[in-house]
Amino acid sequence: KAGVTQTPRYLIKTRGQQVTLSCSPISGHRSVSWYQQTPGQGLQFLFEYFSETQRNKGNFPGRFSGRQFSNSRSEMNVSTLELGDSALYLCASSLERQGGYTFGSGTRLTVV
Amino acid sequence: GEDVEQSLFLSVREGDSSVINCTYTDSSSTYLYWYKQEPGAGLQLLTYIFSNMDMKQDQRLTVLLNKKDKHLSLRIADTQTGDSAIYFCAESIRGDYKLSFGAGTTVTVRA
Repeated sequence: KAGVTQTPRYLIKTRGQQVTLSCSPISGHRSVSWYQQTPGQGLQFLFEYFSETQRNKGNFPGRFSGRQFSNSRSEMNVSTLELGDSALYLCASSLERQGGYTFGSGTRLTVV
Repeated sequence: GEDVEQSLFLSVREGDSSVINCTYTDSSSTYLYWYKQEPGAGLQLLTYIFSNMDMKQDQRLTVLLNKKDKHLSLRIADTQTGDSAIYFCAESIRGDYKLSFGAGTTVTVRA
């Protein structure tokens, strides 16, 4: 069974640009959530989607957005990139009942 | 509150047992998790425990939950060099649909 797939693995962007990250959950998993990991702030929750609906959102500015498609794949977008957005972005999927979040390998975003 | 706290570092000799501790503050936590992260990698789910359980064992891993003290521990028996990593404790709360993580404990296994 394939795991959670995140693409791309690495990205380098310039300040002011925007970026889109992709996440394909484990087959059958309808919940997808996103996290940002930085050395200073640790792991912080961005948002969670289930059946194309956002059920929860973390404390991030509006430049961070996401969506989920009917096949449960999810994308997150960051507009007007800032240096502080440099981080490892992790996606996790789970079955409908809470428990057992499985993470992908992450996308390493570097903003220069 | 949802603060999860962990000690930052642990050094252990190969072959000994490791015990990583975590405290959480929300009594309505539904599940409590342990994840492992190796350099340059994502998070690997090691085990999780439902909040109405006291203990869970899975091969070399033993999780103990003390609900009264809101204390969670992970014991790794016969620690190996491959166990060197950062270990994260996390909690989820019913209806929140998210994980709240501790800062992570860096475990170093020495020969």
